[in-house]
Amino acid sequence: DSGVTQTPKHLITATGQRVTLRCSPRSGDLSVYWYQQSLDQGLQFLIQYYNGEERAKGNILERFSAQQFPDLHSELNLSSLELGDSALYFCASSAAGASTDTQYFGPGTRLTVL
Amino acid sequence: GQNIDQPTEMTATEGAIVQINCTYQTSGFNGLFWYQQHAGEAPTFLSYNVLDGLEEKGRFSSFLSRSKGYSYLLLKELQMKDSASYLCAVRTYSGNTPLVFGKGTRLSVIA
Repeated sequence: DSGVTQTPKHLITATGQRVTLRCSPRSGDLSVYWYQQSLDQGLQFLIQYYNGEERAKGNILERFSAQQFPDLHSELNLSSLELGDSALYFCASSAAGASTDTQYFGPGTRLTVL
Repeated sequence: GQNIDQPTEMTATEGAIVQINCTYQTSGFNGLFWYQQHAGEAPTFLSYNVLDGLEEKGRFSSFLSRSKGYSYLLLKELQMKDSASYLCAVRTYSGNTPLVFGKGTRLSVIA
């Protein structure tokens, strides 16, 4: 158990809908990262937040958005869902500051778009 | 751009030793990570290298050569539970930054 929690574990929805994925980082960690992992694809970095502020942006679609709240939990919002958005979505967290920070991953949310 | 290459699949026998290679070409380098991921589960941290050389941690060791853009993960005394994907990831510059992941190597351990 990494200490990172994600809800829900599974999500099934239809095309065109909107969903929200939630992540709580490990106690004391200030950074949160979101990744998408499609079948047979590597982990694709989406976005990073540090202490409530956006720190880095990767291959995140305009239909997707995220935020980190004052209690440091984060939400990833996916809208106008398409079949191709079906994937595992992982959240990871790390401590702040040191360049040797390790990212610890949550159990993921499996999103299925029908 | 960023490019990380790993073999797609490998098979090895229980009790044996296996070496999983990773080569990278990235804009800047500030450390290389290895993660283990069982199917449908979260990646779990195995090792971190930032300086050239070998880091040993129990049955797992990881090697880095920055001049060659090369790393390997060595797994000894293979067990069936080691069947998983092994992900190589590079941090491209200092600070609390995202990682660039390879597509992973799927290792099957057979009896």
